[in-house]
Amino acid sequence: GAGVSQSPSNKVTEKGKDVELRCDPISGHTALYWYRQSLGQGLEFLIYFQGNSAPDKSGLPSDRFSAERTGGSVSTLTIQRTQQEDSAVYLCASSAPTGANYHNEQFFGPGTRLTVL
Amino acid sequence: GENVEQHPSTLSVQEGDSAVIKCTYSDSASNYFPWYKQELGKRPQLIIDIRSNVGEKKDQRIAVTLNKTAKHFSLHITETQPEDSAVYFCVSYSFNKFYFGSGTKLNVKP
Repeated sequence: GAGVSQSPSNKVTEKGKDVELRCDPISGHTALYWYRQSLGQGLEFLIYFQGNSAPDKSGLPSDRFSAERTGGSVSTLTIQRTQQEDSAVYLCASSAPTGANYHNEQFFGPGTRLTVL
Repeated sequence: GENVEQHPSTLSVQEGDSAVIKCTYSDSASNYFPWYKQELGKRPQLIIDIRSNVGEKKDQRIAVTLNKTAKHFSLHITETQPEDSAVYFCVSYSFNKFYFGSGTKLNVKP
């Protein structure tokens, strides 16, 4: 079946512009996660959604970052007034809770490579 | 907040040997510990995970051990193969957040 998809795959923007990144999770996966990965670095957790709600938004790097999810499916990560340090690959993942375990194997999308000039 | 430390940062082994990667964490409330493998230019993939109510879990050549008292967990790969070459990340989960280690680049020499 279809995996996690993300769009755009690449985004080049100018400093100060807003960008919107999209994630389509695997159908039926109620948990959705956003991470970012700078070149050659590990993953930095940003936020996760249980259905349409995010229990904790404090992982977002600054108030320029926001995320939402509607209809328990598609999620968007918005970065306002982009800065050069926002340049990274933004990865989305989804998973399906089972029984008492809400967090299980996360299936990652291909990522959006964001470059802020 | 949680702090996850991962060692070594690079590991080179001969094909057929075992590889061990170790991680420590600081938050005693952490209760879920997955390991992800990321090949160059590809997305991370789960290879094994363990929850805090279990001390060890094995899946073929891969095993993970968890010591809650000492707050450390380890990944063991036996009979390594060249296709095991990748970056491996340990992860801990606590209070609605995931914390990744800095990664171990494993190189399996044929």
